Amino acid sequence: EVHLAESGGGLGHPGRSLRLSCVASGFAYDKYDNHAMHWVRQAPGKGLEWVSGISWNSVTLGYADSVRGRFTVSRDNAKNSLYLEMNSLRAEDTAFYYCAKDIGAYDSRGFDSWGQGVLVTVSS
Amino acid sequence: DIQMTQSPSTLSASVGDRVTITCRASQTISNSLAWYQQKPGKAPNLLIYKASTLESGVPSRFRGSGSGTDFTLTISSLQPDDFATYYCQQCDSSPYTFGQGTKLDI
Repeated sequence: EVHLAESGGGLGHPGRSLRLSCVASGFAYDKYDNHAMHWVRQAPGKGLEWVSGISWNSVTLGYADSVRGRFTVSRDNAKNSLYLEMNSLRAEDTAFYYCAKDIGAYDSRGFDSWGQGVLVTVSS
Repeated sequence: DIQMTQSPSTLSASVGDRVTITCRASQTISNSLAWYQQKPGKAPNLLIYKASTLESGVPSRFRGSGSGTDFTLTISSLQPDDFATYYCQQCDSSPYTFGQGTKLDI
């Protein structure tokens, strides 16, 4: 069973930066680099918001309008890792951030594994 | 961007009931739709993808249908474990937007 573990959350200040990481493990008959990966966030008490996604080979990147130009997604397949560089933080970026594994490799078919989530709080 | 609209926002039901949640896309998305279940304090869990394909390990009482712009999630006989919030998500094109959620409670 695939396991995803996020780290790097915590308190961020408006205008500053944070970097989230997600490490994947448990690929028994599969490989990390067979799958696109995504970041999804959820403000406390609110619904899900897709933030960003990256294809298996890092060729295709996507961002929500709310973070485009401020956040950068990347991955290191040799380390089974996914990253989210969050710059110019705003109060409205406060949320739980989940990394999620896609069924597909290039675009999206659905997210079949999720991490436990990490809380990012943006406040002065 | 494609907007996803779920209804109802809240649904009250009882164990054994049959319930249906609907999801409408602002433009056609073929069958590129997924459904998730989320319980408080937990990550979402994939139930259905490609509008009607049941994810491995998900009980057969969950059924997805629809194509184009209109989709439904039906739970045939509610179990106590099913009381949660349900989200649809379009997987047709980036940004992969979610519906606002449907909270299913007793």
